Amino acid sequence: GQNIDQPTEMTATEGAIVQINCTYQTSGFNGLFWYQQHAGEAPTFLSYNVLDGLEEKGRFSSFLSRSKGYSYLLLKELQMKDSASYLCAVSDLSTDKLIFGTGTRLQVFP
Amino acid sequence: DVKVTQSSRYLVKRTGEKVFLECVQDMDHENMFWYRQDPGLGLRLIYFSYDVKMKEKGDIPEGYSVSREKKERFSLILESASTNQTSMYLCASSLGRDEKLFFGSGTQLSVL
Repeated sequence: GQNIDQPTEMTATEGAIVQINCTYQTSGFNGLFWYQQHAGEAPTFLSYNVLDGLEEKGRFSSFLSRSKGYSYLLLKELQMKDSASYLCAVSDLSTDKLIFGTGTRLQVFP
Repeated sequence: DVKVTQSSRYLVKRTGEKVFLECVQDMDHENMFWYRQDPGLGLRLIYFSYDVKMKEKGDIPEGYSVSREKKERFSLILESASTNQTSMYLCASSLGRDEKLFFGSGTQLSVL
């Protein structure tokens, strides 16, 4: 079966660093995506990890450990505009589907 | 930039009505998807298509059907709308499998 877990809500302060975790269980893992979704808007792509390790893209980085079924999204130098939901999604080879977690709502305070 | 266009931003329908949600993408993408998004449940896959005239059931296909007669257009059909189908519906497309999804702006459907 498939299961993706991420925290429901997180809060952080402007300028700080926050790490959003995602754990997953799938029959055939093929890759992991992170999407950002502002309230009332569509999700937009942030990152894609296939191999173990850290992928850095500006203020955002994403990490993957295939053996542990674990990923995290790291947001540095937080800005107010980073307040959004962050969705973890796993590509499952066995079902040929992309399955989303329920998302983590991040609130950034001044 | 890829554009995925959904025909309506807000829609209100009555129970039992037949509802069509249209989605068009302009970048010649092979793959198209329909998700619904509900609070606390996240995005759930209804149907997807990896080619014209091809369709596959997602995780929650009951009460829905789809049509993909042309590569750029993927329609979601609610044969007889029910109140539990009140939701935000998101269409997405991708160039290939395991490629990033481009989402439309969504249709908030209310079934009364």
